[in-house]
Amino acid sequence: GAGVSQTPSNKVTEKGKYVELRCDPISGHTALYWYRQSLGQGPEFLIYFQGTGAADDSGLPNDRFFAVRPEGSVSTLKIQRTERGDSAVYLCASSLGGNSEQYFGPGTRLTVT
Amino acid sequence: AQKVTQAQTEISVVEKEDVTLDCVYETRDTTYYLFWYKQPPSGELVFLIRRNSFDEQNEISGRYSWNFQKSTSSFNFTITASQVVDSAVYFCALGDIYNFNKFYFGSGTKLNVKP
Repeated sequence: GAGVSQTPSNKVTEKGKYVELRCDPISGHTALYWYRQSLGQGPEFLIYFQGTGAADDSGLPNDRFFAVRPEGSVSTLKIQRTERGDSAVYLCASSLGGNSEQYFGPGTRLTVT
Repeated sequence: AQKVTQAQTEISVVEKEDVTLDCVYETRDTTYYLFWYKQPPSGELVFLIRRNSFDEQNEISGRYSWNFQKSTSSFNFTITASQVVDSAVYFCALGDIYNFNKFYFGSGTKLNVKP
């Protein structure tokens, strides 16, 4: 079956602009996670959704970052007033929930110039 | 604090050599999960294994084997008879089951297998 998909695969934006990154999880997966991976580092947790609600957003770096999952499936990560330090690969993962393994998408490479 | 350390930044081996990737973790919890993921040059993280903290039995899957030792908080990964296709970055992760199983990743070990 289809895996986790993320769009766009690459996004280049200017400092100060607004961006939206989309994640389409595996069908039937109720849990959805966003991570951010900087060059040469492991992914860092940003936010977790169980269904439609953000159960844990403790990893969001500041209030410029926001994510939604209105129908419990597709999720959008939104970044306002982007900064050069936001440049990274943003990874989305989904799982059946509980303590299941997470399946990752290919990521969106965000570059802020 | 939850933390995963992969001290080996990069390892280079020649094809057919065995190689072990180290993973050391820290956690206050008595119950947790440990994972290994592979990230090939294409960038997508590929799930390899999950291990429950109560299960210290070693596991073998083809050329891959994992050694979990709770006494030393280690979860090492060995590739036997390495192949060029094994070249990738490998991540060890700790799953915090008391907090929605969010993952804490190590910084990864880049494995280069040369022909």
